[in-house]
Amino acid sequence: DGGITQSPKYLFRKEGQNVTLSCEQNLNHDAMYWYRQDPGQGLRLIYYSQIVNDFQKGDIAEGYSVSREKKESFPLTVTSAQKNPTAFYLCASSIGPRGATNEKLFFGSGTQLSVL
Amino acid sequence: LAKTTQPISMDSYEGQEVNITCSHNNIATNDYITWYQQFPSQGPRFIIQGYKTKVTNEVASLFIPADRKSSTLSLPRVSLSDTAVYYCLVGDGPTGTYKYIFGTGTRLKVLA
Repeated sequence: DGGITQSPKYLFRKEGQNVTLSCEQNLNHDAMYWYRQDPGQGLRLIYYSQIVNDFQKGDIAEGYSVSREKKESFPLTVTSAQKNPTAFYLCASSIGPRGATNEKLFFGSGTQLSVL
Repeated sequence: LAKTTQPISMDSYEGQEVNITCSHNNIATNDYITWYQQFPSQGPRFIIQGYKTKVTNEVASLFIPADRKSSTLSLPRVSLSDTAVYYCLVGDGPTGTYKYIFGTGTRLKVLA
């Protein structure tokens, strides 16, 4: 089945530790995204990537880092600089670009990150 | 900066039609309007998309006026399983880029 796979489903971080969330897609989409969702809140954009080896900051990039070495993969690292990392993290992809009739976001099932 | 505004929450009863309106005053000329549904602890899923006038699919209708500064998602005869958060989404920044910003969404609760 084509889709987006996020792993792990649940992740726990110790204070001062960096953790990496995995996102893989087999939809052959150019663009990939990371959103953060706090309880009862909407989705906030962390980073997005329009093409391999290129990415841009979203609205809340501080304390996070990403890489886009392959079209299929867009891992997110939550660094120790992110002081309040507990949230639900969602990865998405789109065939893009905006303004095209086929623009849609496809989401993974999310990773719940909690701090120990 | 593109921004969407929706009602925070709505209640409805089973079998009723629900209309959720979203305002997007700064929508770019070439941007489409897309609606998503999200259940707790899941990723949002696509419901419907349109550019102007009316679009209908098997689950919903989307009404977009000529000025495109708002849109209305219509859910016919809702059931308990339609209880979810609904987001409208437009692009942010210049068309041709890939940036999308979500609003706060509308929390729909369907009552028996």
